Amino acid sequence: EADIYQTPRYLVIGTGKKITLECSQTMGHDKMYWYQQDPGMELHLIHYSYGVNSTEKGDLSSESTVSRIRTEHFPLTLESARPSHTSQYLCASSETGGYNEQFFGPGTRLTVL
Amino acid sequence: AQTVTQSQPEMSVQEAETVTLSCTYDTSENNYYLFWYKQPPSRQMILVIRQEAYKQQNATENRFSVNFQKAAKSFSLKISDSQLGDTAMYFCAFRTNAGKSTFGDGTTLTVKP
Repeated sequence: EADIYQTPRYLVIGTGKKITLECSQTMGHDKMYWYQQDPGMELHLIHYSYGVNSTEKGDLSSESTVSRIRTEHFPLTLESARPSHTSQYLCASSETGGYNEQFFGPGTRLTVL
Repeated sequence: AQTVTQSQPEMSVQEAETVTLSCTYDTSENNYYLFWYKQPPSRQMILVIRQEAYKQQNATENRFSVNFQKAAKSFSLKISDSQLGDTAMYFCAFRTNAGKSTFGDGTTLTVKP
């Protein structure tokens, strides 16, 4: 399996709470990504980063924010969770260049009550 | 912008038989890369096979092969001798030279014993 980790794997939390989803990779990849995926559905890119101090919004608008202070770490934060944020969040990383595939983490399944 | 279309939301196949998953894409770029990823139930998404657009020869990885038709913008995945472990959601992905990926909506494949 790929060296990309996400914690927590499952999170159930109440409305209005601040949460941070962690993502780390040990492969030295410059590029990292966050996708939102409802069970059995398509992936939606919500954030990506091409390197330290670089972050961009993805194709799907999201109320979450990200930071990239270290190459290996790309956390996602929701300041005030809502039931509409309930979903699975997948983190991925890749080397630079189109030939290189993305390596995916195991995902965090978030439920907001 | 690129689009990727997987027209088969669900498919099933008998164990040991062959199945083909369809994928079409739209792009104005000439150099790009195509991927098939597999997402087994409750497990990490992994790469199945990749194809460079400038290569005419179809990629093959053991039981997995592609039929890449660049002019038709088609990139189907053939799975031979299907196994129960092939049961998963399969995503077709287009990736630019710069490393930006676009995923299809996915095809859920069930291999029946």
